[in-house]
Amino acid sequence: ETGVTQSPTHLIKTRGQQVTLRCSSQSGHNTVSWYQQALGQGPQFIFQYYREEENGRGNFPPRFSGLQFPNYSSELNVNALELDDSALYLCASSLGLAGSSYEQYFGPGTRLTVT
Amino acid sequence: QKEVEQNSGPLSVPEGAIASLNCTYSDRGSQSFFWYRQYSGKSPELIMFIYSNGDKEDGRFTAQLNKASQYVSLLIRDSQPSDSATYLCAVILNTGGFKTIFGAGTRLFVKA
Repeated sequence: ETGVTQSPTHLIKTRGQQVTLRCSSQSGHNTVSWYQQALGQGPQFIFQYYREEENGRGNFPPRFSGLQFPNYSSELNVNALELDDSALYLCASSLGLAGSSYEQYFGPGTRLTVT
Repeated sequence: QKEVEQNSGPLSVPEGAIASLNCTYSDRGSQSFFWYRQYSGKSPELIMFIYSNGDKEDGRFTAQLNKASQYVSLLIRDSQPSDSATYLCAVILNTGGFKTIFGAGTRLFVKA
């Protein structure tokens, strides 16, 4: 167990709907990253938050947005869901951005199915 | 060219052998390198981190980094059936913001 929790575990949504996924980081960690992992693929970086500010973003459209709260927990919001958004969504937390502080610890993930 | 490339495998080794997993990356600005293990249906778990050229050992695992060749590898000594998993290579880029780029992973099977 890494101490990173995610909710919900599974979710089924309809195309066009909106979804919010939640992540609680490991105690003492101020950095949260979100990833999308399709079956048989490596995790794809969506974005990262450091001390409540977006600090890096991958090649995802603006309908993927996020927040980090003062307690460093985080949300991932996806609007106008598409069938291709069906995937495992992973949250990872780390101590910071430099060197070994960047070791990321993953939560168990949220399995999103869009029908 | 993919930013981080790994042989998808599967790589099959007998129990007790050395498993060698390789990863190449395209961006010379890559700063830090990580190896994760992912069991089927589970989330990735951190194995090792390396950021300077050379070898880094931790128990049965050795990470090797060669920045000139843009190559990072993971050796698993005395492989066990419990090591059977997908191994993911990850690279950190800082290009006006941090990005973590994962390879697609190499599936390893350790035969008893």
